[in-house]
Amino acid sequence: KAGVTQTPRYLIKTRGQQVTLSCSPISGHRSVSWYQQTPGQGLQFLFEYFSETQRNKGNFPGRFSGRQFSNSRSEMNVSTLELGDSALYLCASSLSGTEPYEQYFGPGTRLTVT
Amino acid sequence: DAKTTQPNSMESNEEEPVHLPCNHSTISGTDYIHWYRQLPSQGPEYVIHGLTSNVNNRMASLAIAEDRKSSTLILHRATLRDAAVYYCILRDYDMRFGAGTRLTVKP
Repeated sequence: KAGVTQTPRYLIKTRGQQVTLSCSPISGHRSVSWYQQTPGQGLQFLFEYFSETQRNKGNFPGRFSGRQFSNSRSEMNVSTLELGDSALYLCASSLSGTEPYEQYFGPGTRLTVT
Repeated sequence: DAKTTQPNSMESNEEEPVHLPCNHSTISGTDYIHWYRQLPSQGPEYVIHGLTSNVNNRMASLAIAEDRKSSTLILHRATLRDAAVYYCILRDYDMRFGAGTRLTVKP
């Protein structure tokens, strides 16, 4: 079974631009979560989608948004990029998102904002 | 929010057992205890989870204190490939990762 895939793997953007990251979950998984990882803040939860609905949201500004499609694939968008948005963005999928459940993480997208 | 406390770092010798502690004194009755690890340059990887009883799987064992205020992840024979950051997580409505424990395995 193929794992979680994320595209692109690396991205360089300029401050003020916007970016869209994509995540394809493991086949059959309906829950997709997004995380931001930086050296200073560690792994922080962004949001979770289940069956095309945002179920949970972390403490991030409205510039960070996401969506999930009917095939469970998910995208996250960051508008008006800031230098501090440079990070590794990780996507994780799980079957249902009902406790207890295992999350399977993708390799991440490394975003650099200059 | 239920929080966890882990040592920043630990060292182990190869092929010896490793006990990674986690304190979670504010755990609620319905919180599951999850452990993930993150190898260098990779996304986190699920290790094990438990609620009240000790758990074993092919990767590790999880020992949960009777009052559930602490738990210990046990790697029975550490290998160099086990060098990673280990996260102990109590799931509230999302996965809140702390700083974790950086495990170094010496040959």
